[in-house]
Amino acid sequence: KAGVTQTPRYLIKTRGQQVTLSCSPISGHRSVSWYQQTPGQGLQFLFEYFSETQRNKGNFPGRFSGRQFSNSRSEMNVSTLELGDSALYLCASSGGQGFHEQFFGPGTRLTVL
Amino acid sequence: AQSVTQLGSHVSVSEGALVLLRCNYSSSVPPYLFWYVQYPNQGLQLLLKYTTGATLVKGINGFEAEFKKSETSFHLTKPSAHMSDAAEYFCAVSVPPGGSYIPTFGRGTSLIVHP
Repeated sequence: KAGVTQTPRYLIKTRGQQVTLSCSPISGHRSVSWYQQTPGQGLQFLFEYFSETQRNKGNFPGRFSGRQFSNSRSEMNVSTLELGDSALYLCASSGGQGFHEQFFGPGTRLTVL
Repeated sequence: AQSVTQLGSHVSVSEGALVLLRCNYSSSVPPYLFWYVQYPNQGLQLLLKYTTGATLVKGINGFEAEFKKSETSFHLTKPSAHMSDAAEYFCAVSVPPGGSYIPTFGRGTSLIVHP
C-alpha cells in the first residue's frame, strides 16, 4: 500500500496570505488527523476528520480549518497567516475498527515571512 | 485528560552503548502507549505500541519498551546504539473513548549517537 502523501512538501508565504495543504491518506483509511509541529510547542493536534465530518478539534484559532472529501483526501487551510504559523504540518491517517494506529505523512514545511 | 512527560530533551550515547529514553504518562484509565521516531525532514514512524497483554513490547530496529503501571512509565530501550538511531523520539498516550483515537504526544527526546 502507498503511504500517506502530503503536498506540497515545502511552502513559503508572506504574512496575511492564506495557504491550503493537502493530504492523501492510505487507501481504505477514513480518518485523517492534522498536527502542527514547532520547536517551541512540539506536536499539537489541530483536528481530525472521519467520513467527511470533523470528529475532534484541538485548541487552535478559527483561522485554521479543514475539510475531507468523499475519497478521504483532506485539506487544511490557514487564513491570514502569521509569522508564528511557520511550522511542519503533519497529516496522519488511520482506519479500521477498534484500535486505530496512526500513519504519518512526511509533512509540509510552511515558512511565513 | 491524559498527558505525557519525556525526561530529557536530549540524550547522548556512544555507539554500542545502551539507549534509555524515559517516558511517564498520566491517565485516569488504562492507556494505549506508543513510541514514534522522526528522522530529519520526515514524518513520524511507529516504533512500537502497547495496548493490552504482555507488558514488554518489542518494536522495530531492536527497540523495546516495558509498560509499568505502578510507575506510570513506558521507557524505551535498545541494548546497543547504532549511528542510524540518531533521531527524535516521541512517546504518546491515547485513551480511545469508543473508537475515536487522538494521541497526546510528549515533547520529544533527541537521541545523539557518538562514534
